[in-house]
Amino acid sequence: EADIYQTPRYLVIGTGKKITLECSQTMGHDKMYWYQQDPGMELHLIHYSYGVNSTEKGDLSSESTVSRIRTEHFPLTLESARPSHTSQYLCASSESSRGVGQPQHFGDGTRLSIL
Amino acid sequence: GQNIDQPTEMTATEGAIVQINCTYQTSGFNGLFWYQQHAGEAPTFLSYNVLDGLEEKGRFSSFLSRSKGYSYLLLKELQMKDSASYLCAGSGNSGYALNFGKGTSLLVTP
Repeated sequence: EADIYQTPRYLVIGTGKKITLECSQTMGHDKMYWYQQDPGMELHLIHYSYGVNSTEKGDLSSESTVSRIRTEHFPLTLESARPSHTSQYLCASSESSRGVGQPQHFGDGTRLSIL
Repeated sequence: GQNIDQPTEMTATEGAIVQINCTYQTSGFNGLFWYQQHAGEAPTFLSYNVLDGLEEKGRFSSFLSRSKGYSYLLLKELQMKDSASYLCAGSGNSGYALNFGKGTSLLVTP
């Protein structure tokens, strides 16, 4: 069982608030990812990191930002939440020491609802 | 992206065999993953193929043809708990980041 944790699981909050979604993994993985998934739709990569102090934007444009100060921690921040940010956010991690074929392990996700 | 394409929905009977197909663009291809996702839960890894051929893991098998840009996931002896969404994902030029298809929602009926 993968050890990757996301908090909160559910968040309902008003427009304009600053939000930080937490993601931590205890497996020592250097690769971490954030995906956005709407109900019945595909996962869209919004951010990824290949190690400490490394962050890249994914294929889907997002108003969120990420940071990677420690290997185990990859928080995602929305400076001013809007209803269009309502979605499920999934964090994942993978190791790279054995090449690109290593699976990504997912957290349980945060369901975000902006009123 | 790699334009991952898979059927939206499939229905099969308990105990039967079902094949879920996936096609992708071959440029920049670096391997193909299958994940299972139950409603409201996180995706879980099922298989990875980078070479042509069939990989078998218990009731689940996955096949890849690189020249055709085609993969399938084969589920045998279907159980009710296999009702879930099955996600096909390609590993592209960036190496580690994945491009996911929309998923195939499989319903197993008694």
